[in-house]
Amino acid sequence: RKEVEQDPGPFNVPEGATVAFNCTYSNSASQSFFWYRQDCRKEPKLLMSVYSSGNEDGRFTAQLNRASQYISLLIRDSKLSDSATYLCVVDNYGQNFVFGPGTRLSVLP
Amino acid sequence: DADVTQTPRNRITKTGKRIMLECSQTKGHDRMYWYRQDPGLGLRLIYYSFDVKDINKGEISDGYSVSRQAQAKFSLSLESAIPNQTALYFCATRGDSYEQYFGPGTRLTVT
Repeated sequence: RKEVEQDPGPFNVPEGATVAFNCTYSNSASQSFFWYRQDCRKEPKLLMSVYSSGNEDGRFTAQLNRASQYISLLIRDSKLSDSATYLCVVDNYGQNFVFGPGTRLSVLP
Repeated sequence: DADVTQTPRNRITKTGKRIMLECSQTKGHDRMYWYRQDPGLGLRLIYYSFDVKDINKGEISDGYSVSRQAQAKFSLSLESAIPNQTALYFCATRGDSYEQYFGPGTRLTVT
């Protein structure tokens, strides 16, 4: 089993749609969780950290379920500029990070 | 100017050649990382360094070596390149927070 797994995608949604991505991780000792965004042929950039109580940043909402070892990202009112690959990232005993394979999103006009 | 730079940005080389990828940062971070990215596999960690005297192997270090010449510089070497090392390579840094800052990537092709 891979350490971090994500919805395989791609997701093709119309502008204005709400879309949710799922991620599961295998290391129950992980303490820190993140969503990164990667545009085509570009470097990944931090989108948001994921906190135990869930957190929101504008149209983006992240949730964490430690018992199920599950992380989610919800994007409301999708924009064309949201088209990218979304990477789920989990810390590895605080030393380094494990990246999921990513889920590609295309927002269509 | 970019905080994390990588050279070269693109490189085509032949099997068996030695190649070095360089990474420099101006963020003053102690922690630096090298990853490779392959389609469908995400980013995989090759080596990481927490300071100049601390080098650690990552998930896929075989066939690679690194050198931390200074706090700001972290180089990745392929001693004898092989075709399955064709990939997109990223350098990243991290300060006291958990956020990693990535360079623009080096696209390496081994023929």
